[in-house]
Amino acid sequence: GAGVSQSPRYKVAKRGQDVALRCDPISGHVSLFWYQQALGQGPEFLTYFQNEAQLDKSGLPSDRFFAERPEGSVSTLKIQRTQQEDSAVYLCASSPSDTQYFGPGTRLTVL
Amino acid sequence: AQSVTQLDSQVPVFEEAPVELRCNYSSSVSVYLFWYVQYPNQGLQLLLKYLSGSTLVESINGFEAEFNKSQTSFHLRKPSVHISDTAEYFCAVILFSGGYNKLIFGAGTRLAVHP
Repeated sequence: GAGVSQSPRYKVAKRGQDVALRCDPISGHVSLFWYQQALGQGPEFLTYFQNEAQLDKSGLPSDRFFAERPEGSVSTLKIQRTQQEDSAVYLCASSPSDTQYFGPGTRLTVL
Repeated sequence: AQSVTQLDSQVPVFEEAPVELRCNYSSSVSVYLFWYVQYPNQGLQLLLKYLSGSTLVESINGFEAEFNKSQTSFHLRKPSVHISDTAEYFCAVILFSGGYNKLIFGAGTRLAVHP
């Protein structure tokens, strides 16, 4: 079946612009996670959804980061007033239970 | 707090040679452990996992990992590597938090297989 998909795959933004990153999870997966992967690092947790409820946003680095999953399926990670330090790969994962399945990621470059 | 340490940032190896990628974790409770592989410009793919039961787990492409509770390790091994195994490998542990599973990743090990 179809895996986790993310769009766009690549995004270049000028500093100060707002961006929106989309994640389509595997159908039926209740849990959805967002991770940030800086260059040369392992992924770091940003936020977690169970259906439409955002149960943990402790990893969001600032109030410029906002995530939603209004109908319990597709999720959007929004970054307002992007800064150069936001440059990273943003990974989405969905899970039915113990194992998380990752999308290809969105590479965000802030100039 | 749980954490994951991957002791080698890069591992160069010749084709058909054996390889071991090291992973140690710190946790005061039971853990679930994972190895993910990331090929260039791709997302993370699950390679293998330990949840319970047999401490030796295997993947479909010849990798294996052994959970060693006394040494808090989950090293990844393959007896004979191929050029196509060149990738970044991430060890991860589940942090149980409020009824859901948050992954804590190591920094990754870049495996470079040379002909």
